[in-house]
Amino acid sequence: GAGVSQTPSNKVTEKGKYVELRCDPISGHTALYWYRQSLGQGPEFLIYFQGTGAADDSGLPNDRFFAVRPEGSVSTLKIQRTERGDSAVYLCASSLTPQGGYTFGSGTRLTVV
Amino acid sequence: GQQLNQSPQSMFIQEGEDVSMNCTSSSIFNTWLWYKQDPGEGPVLLIALYKAGELTSNGRLTAQFGITRKDSFLNISASIPSDVGIYFCAGQLTNAGKSTFGDGTTLTVKP
Repeated sequence: GAGVSQTPSNKVTEKGKYVELRCDPISGHTALYWYRQSLGQGPEFLIYFQGTGAADDSGLPNDRFFAVRPEGSVSTLKIQRTERGDSAVYLCASSLTPQGGYTFGSGTRLTVV
Repeated sequence: GQQLNQSPQSMFIQEGEDVSMNCTSSSIFNTWLWYKQDPGEGPVLLIALYKAGELTSNGRLTAQFGITRKDSFLNISASIPSDVGIYFCAGQLTNAGKSTFGDGTTLTVKP
């Protein structure tokens, strides 16, 4: 597609459940990023993929968070045993190169109740 | 870790006025980026700066990469109502992939 597509746009889940968030980057973009944005704050880096491999996962807050990009295109962010503090907007972005700006998707708003 | 401070936190201006906002860092970056975010959307890239001292324009927007590589500013001339939104600065180290974002400047334009 023309832009970065994220699904679902909204997700409400119960504390303790498992969730998967999907990102479809711009075709041909080898770099893909996940960020998390809380209200009133800027995006916070989670993980960066170059192709299929995670080039930098230093932003993942703990081992409940995991992301994959098996074919170098679509990526899935997986959160196990969700906690209320995980509630935020999860943003995905992609770019042709790791230097410079990205194209962001509209995000998935995750609410853990 | 690296911290970016954006100021002001919010601005209320009259349509037609010029706007200036800035971003400072405790450490250097090799690339500075400015984004705008509208409600319910992801940030949209406005300007990218790659060299210390660089001054770049995009329509009514002008941004500069500070000489010390620890700061950047964004100017908007002759503001219009659609300039309303949250403006974020972000810094990158060379080929590191990830960006460090500030917490944004919220701009309100009164007609």
